[in-house]
Parts: sequence; C-alpha cells; structure tokens
Amino acid sequence: QVQLQESGPRLVKPSETLSLICSVSGGSLSGHDWNWIRQPAGKGLEWIGRLYNGGRMYNGGGTNYSPSLKSRVTMSLDTSKSQFSLNLISVTAADTAMYFCARESAETGYQFDLWGQGTLVTVSS
Amino acid sequence: SYELTQAPSVSVSPGQTARITCSGDKLGDRYVTWYQQRPGQSPRLVIYQDTKRPSGIPERFSGSNSGNTAALTISGTQAMDEADYHCQAWDTRTTSVIFGGGTKLTVL
Repeated sequence: QVQLQESGPRLVKPSETLSLICSVSGGSLSGHDWNWIRQPAGKGLEWIGRLYNGGRMYNGGGTNYSPSLKSRVTMSLDTSKSQFSLNLISVTAADTAMYFCARESAETGYQFDLWGQGTLVTVSS
Repeated sequence: SYELTQAPSVSVSPGQTARITCSGDKLGDRYVTWYQQRPGQSPRLVIYQDTKRPSGIPERFSGSNSGNTAALTISGTQAMDEADYHCQAWDTRTTSVIFGGGTKLTVL
C-alpha cells in the first residue's frame, strides 16, 4: 500500500526558508504527479504546486506553481530516494500552516487521491 | 482569479439527506472534485469529475454540477460523515488548482 510521509523542521524563523520532504513508500513515483497543499489552522486548503512525473506529461520533472506563491516556491523530485521536496523562501507568519503532500493519478482523473498525514510548520522567531 | 464559494456550515439529522454546494462562474463547464476531511485527519477524495466515486467510497455519496453550482449529496447521513467538505476545480486561465473555503457538516 502506497503511503506518503512529510518531514522537515516544524519551526522556521521569519525571512528564512521552509524546506519539506515527502517520502513515498510502497510504490513508484513514476506515472503520477506530485503536489504540495497547505492549510492554515481553521481555514481552507491552498494548493502550492505540482511536479509532473509522467502522469500527464511525457517529460518528467516539469512544475506548475500557484500564481500567488510562484515567486517563492521551488519543488523537486529525487527518484533515487523516492522523495520530492518543497522549498518556500522568505517566509512570514502567514506561511504558518499544516503542509500536506498529495498524489494525482490517472485512475481518478488526476485528482488528489492519496495524501500524507501532514506536518505543521510554524513561522516564528 | 477564479473563486469557489461554499457555505461555512450545514447541519443535518442522522438518516436525512445532506446537500453541500459549491458555486463559481460557469462552474458547470469545469470538473469539480470533493474531499472529506474529518477532524485531525488529512483530506480524502470522495467525488471526482463531478459524479464519480473512487473505490471504497459509499454509494450514499453522490455529486452533481450544472450552471454555476456543484453539489455533494450525502443520502442517509451517518454520524461518521461529520466532517469538513472541500470542493475543488481547475482554473484554466492560471492553470492552477482552486479550492473552496470548505463546509463544516454537522450531524445532530
């Protein structure tokens, strides 16, 4: 059974970089697209970005970021470690949220059919 | 940018039918997805492409989408259905994923 697990620092200082990793176990990164999504406490979901890896594009490694975060986000894939990562630079308190990684699959019309349990990241000095 | 609007809360009695709506400009022209998020848990896909249920999702969950409104209907609502429900669509102009604000379903 495929599982996703987020990991990374739980506390980040303002103006620094938030870095998270999503580890994929029990399955392959190939043939799916991989996403980061966040949720501030008590609020709705916000999509951060996507890594294409053969789900919808023949060339793996392409990315698509939320317009509102595009200037601060970088996502990358490490197939040798079965992981993908998120870097968000110049963070502020507004970036405090639960961060989820999620998979998109052709079987479910490229919707988020598998999610990690999430990791809470707080931005504070 | 494209926006999806959901009512903050909906209440339903056990065994009755709950209807949760999501509105957006010409939303019927796009596919809508629904996620269930129980307290303290990550979201779970319950409806995709307006009406399709992933394997393992009970038949009491159904979806529709027409005009400016999509709806998630839960027939014979059970206590376990109490959760936040999030709608989602694709903003074709910015090629990005959009979520509604979420609706808290209370079963009482």
